[in-house]
Amino acid sequence: QLVLTQSPSASASLGAPVNLTCTLSSGHRWYAVSWHQQQPEKGPRFLMKINSDGSHTKGDGIPDRFSGSSSGAERLLTISSLQSEDEADYYCHSWGTDIHVFGFGTKVTVL
Amino acid sequence: QVQLVESGGGVVQPGRSLKISCAASGFTFSNHAIHWVRQAPGKGLEWVAVILYDGSNKYYADSVKGRFTISRDNSQNMLYLLMNSLRAEDTAVYYCARGNYGGNSHPDYWGQGTLVTVSS
Repeated sequence: QLVLTQSPSASASLGAPVNLTCTLSSGHRWYAVSWHQQQPEKGPRFLMKINSDGSHTKGDGIPDRFSGSSSGAERLLTISSLQSEDEADYYCHSWGTDIHVFGFGTKVTVL
Repeated sequence: QVQLVESGGGVVQPGRSLKISCAASGFTFSNHAIHWVRQAPGKGLEWVAVILYDGSNKYYADSVKGRFTISRDNSQNMLYLLMNSLRAEDTAVYYCARGNYGGNSHPDYWGQGTLVTVSS
C-alpha cells in the first residue's frame, strides 16, 4: 500500500533554510513525488516533481530558493532562504497505476 | 495562462446527489488527464478521482468508488463530478487539477475550489 509520511510541522527564521521530507512506504522507494504548497485560504500550487534519482522539474514561476532532491525512500523539498510568503502547508503526492496519494502535510512557520 | 474554474457547489442533504463542474482554459484540454481532489474543513488534501485525456480510463479513491462518477467533455473543455449517495464526510472544498500529461500523472495546475456541504 502506497503511503507518504511527512512531519506535521517545521519552522525556521526568516532567511534561514528549511528542509521538508516525504518518505515513501516500503516497496515504493522508486516512485516519483510531487510537492504542492497551500498558502492560507488559497488553493494548492504545484511546486515540483522529484524523481528517485533526485532530478526534479519545477512548476511555472517557482522561485529559485525552492529545490528538490532524493535519498533512498525520501524525497526532500528544500527552501534555501525562508521568506514570509513561504508560511504555508506543504503536501507531497505520489501515484501508482490506479491510485494517487497525498501525505498529511507539513505546516511551515516563519519565526 | 492555464485556468481551472470550479462551480456547482452548495448545500445538499445526506443521501442526495450533486454534480459539480470545472471549466478549463489556456491549454489543450484534450491532451491532459484531470483530477478531482478534496479538502475537508481544517484537514489535508484527499485525492478523489482522475480521468485520462480521452476519458477512456477513470480511477477512484476507495472512499468514493461506486458513488462518484468523473466525466469530461473535450469539445467543451469541461470536467464533471457526479456525486451520489452523499454523506456528511463528503463535506469539503473540491478542487479540479490538471494532470501533467494525458496519462496518469501528477497535478501541475489547480483551481480555486468549490465548497460542497452535506447537511440536513
